[in-house]
Amino acid sequence: SQKIEQNSEALNIQEGKTATLTCNYTNYSPAYLQWYRQDPGRGPVFLLLIRENEKEKRKERLKVTFDTTLKQSLFHITASQPADSATYLCALDMNGSSNTGKLIFGQGTTLQVKP
Amino acid sequence: DTAVSQTPKYLVTQMGNDKSIKCEQNLGHDTMYWYKQDSKKFLKIMFSYNNKELIINETVPNRFSPKSPDKAHLNLHINSLELGDSAVYFCATTRQGTDTQYFGPGTRLTVL
Repeated sequence: SQKIEQNSEALNIQEGKTATLTCNYTNYSPAYLQWYRQDPGRGPVFLLLIRENEKEKRKERLKVTFDTTLKQSLFHITASQPADSATYLCALDMNGSSNTGKLIFGQGTTLQVKP
Repeated sequence: DTAVSQTPKYLVTQMGNDKSIKCEQNLGHDTMYWYKQDSKKFLKIMFSYNNKELIINETVPNRFSPKSPDKAHLNLHINSLELGDSAVYFCATTRQGTDTQYFGPGTRLTVL
């Protein structure tokens, strides 16, 4: 069965640096991969979605890459700010290329940006 | 206006009790979900409803029974609560044919 692993449970970086978070999956390549942000005591909030035929996607200071050969997605936050401190979750559809809405989530990486 | 709302925000109860959590969405979405997030922060899907019909049931014990009275509501009733049911429960929605899910603020359930 498909598994997702986010390599770091916690990542600490200095303000202004680029944060890079990793998401690896083990089995079939999904049709898409999503990234969510979760703040303490709140529900996850959607950030970006990247499809299997896209290598890279950007939104303001956020960039996501998708490498189906490596079975990996990287999530970058450039010019990081303390307000970026949160837990970031990657997710993909459990059934690969069919969009069932049945997402499986990684365990999350908690990013701490220090001023 | 809150897009996806849940009540209550916190629920503390004794083992063996029966409790309900309510979810309402005003996004006009067709599909609603219940997720459980345990103490290790893993977020796992429990149920999915599409237009009031159950379409996903992820091997959740029979003590958990979702009910969708209409497209905008998905409630979760839990019978005979156990210690292991303690977690944060999230409701989420999505528009059919799209992939993005919108989550509610969560309900923290503590079973003593």
